[in-house]
Amino acid sequence: EAGVTQFPSHSVIEKGQTVTLRCDPISGHDNLYWYRRVMGKEIKFLLHFVKESKQDESGMPNNRFLAERTGGTYSTLKVQPAELEDSGVYFCASSQDRGQETQYFGPGTRLLVL
Amino acid sequence: EDQVTQSPEALRLQEGESSSLNCSYTVSGLRGLFWYRQDPGKGPEFLFTLYSAGEEKEKERLKATLTKKESFLHITAPKPEDSATYLCAVRRNTPLVFGKGTRLSVIA
Repeated sequence: EAGVTQFPSHSVIEKGQTVTLRCDPISGHDNLYWYRRVMGKEIKFLLHFVKESKQDESGMPNNRFLAERTGGTYSTLKVQPAELEDSGVYFCASSQDRGQETQYFGPGTRLLVL
Repeated sequence: EDQVTQSPEALRLQEGESSSLNCSYTVSGLRGLFWYRQDPGKGPEFLFTLYSAGEEKEKERLKATLTKKESFLHITAPKPEDSATYLCAVRRNTPLVFGKGTRLSVIA
């Protein structure tokens, strides 16, 4: 069974540019989560999709971040315009349903904003 | 506010030298405490879920235990391949709340 995949693995952009991260969850998993780890800090929750609906976006830092999950399959996280403090590792995770609480993580996208 | 504190931040062990990692938590209505392993450049890899005080789970050289205030990850006779960062997370609602992790190095 394929795990959670993320693309790209690394991205280096300049301040003010736009970056789009993609996450493909484990097949059949309705729940998709985005998390972020900035330098020296713990991994923190950004938002949660159930199928194509945003269930909880309380962790989104500001309106420069836009997440979508059209069709309830893969998800994208767009940062526009990127700022220096957006640098970090963005992780995606998925779980089969809310009753199954184990979240399986992807390898992450390492974003560096210069 | 839910909080997770892991100690020590880093631990260096000789191969075969058993030890324990600590995860202290503050959360009302715990719905699971999770241990993950993370290797450099990779995402967290699921190890265990514990739900209630007194529960224990084992996998190879690892054993996780849970009390009402903390969890321990015991490593028995570690090998160099056990070197990684071990993350603890708690769940009250859907999002996981993570600690900063313990970076374990096992020297041959």
